[in-house]
Amino acid sequence: LAKTTQPISMDSYEGQEVNITCSHNNIATNDYITWYQQFPSQGPRFIIQGYKTKVTNEVASLFIPADRKSSTLSLPRVSLSDTAVYYCLVGVNAGNMLTFGGGTRLMVKP
Amino acid sequence: DTAVSQTPKYLVTQMGNDKSIKCEQNLGHDTMYWYKQDSKKFLKIMFSYNNKELIINETVPNRFSPKSPDKAHLNLHINSLELGDSAVYFCASSQNQRTGPGETQYFGPGTRLLVL
Repeated sequence: LAKTTQPISMDSYEGQEVNITCSHNNIATNDYITWYQQFPSQGPRFIIQGYKTKVTNEVASLFIPADRKSSTLSLPRVSLSDTAVYYCLVGVNAGNMLTFGGGTRLMVKP
Repeated sequence: DTAVSQTPKYLVTQMGNDKSIKCEQNLGHDTMYWYKQDSKKFLKIMFSYNNKELIINETVPNRFSPKSPDKAHLNLHINSLELGDSAVYFCASSQNQRTGPGETQYFGPGTRLLVL
């Protein structure tokens, strides 16, 4: 399993863009990068996934450099409701994406 | 319409008791999981079942025993509860553990267990 490293916490203000970077230096060739979001008192939920370059959906963007040793989750114009813990995982399938770590606690302030 | 459901949502019990947590998924997935989330928010895998067969069994005390009557259900039975078992337990499911790429997990709402 590729180990990931994320900042423990981040603060932001409403309307700002938030970028959370995850390091995964020993990512394997077949590994995908997946981000989950967890609100208080809820289970994690899938946000976005990518393999290389850039992926965008209605919630976020995921930037992956050519060496794939890191990835950046970008949340455009955050709101208070984006306050959550964000987890970065790497692996080929759900079977080996099982190490969630501590995630990044994002606090969005008014 | 809940994809992955767990019962109960809250469980308060005394040390030494035996309790069970139930999980059901209506997504037609082949693989189900149990995770434990501690007070520091670390989410650790406990068990994984693929089509009713145990696939992953991390270092978990024997007091924890998963039971999968069918592939839509994965229950967690805990014997002789201890103070350290207090945590939030999440059930999850995915399409098929052995397929990929890009397979994702769907989580239940969690069961908050407090052992007194």
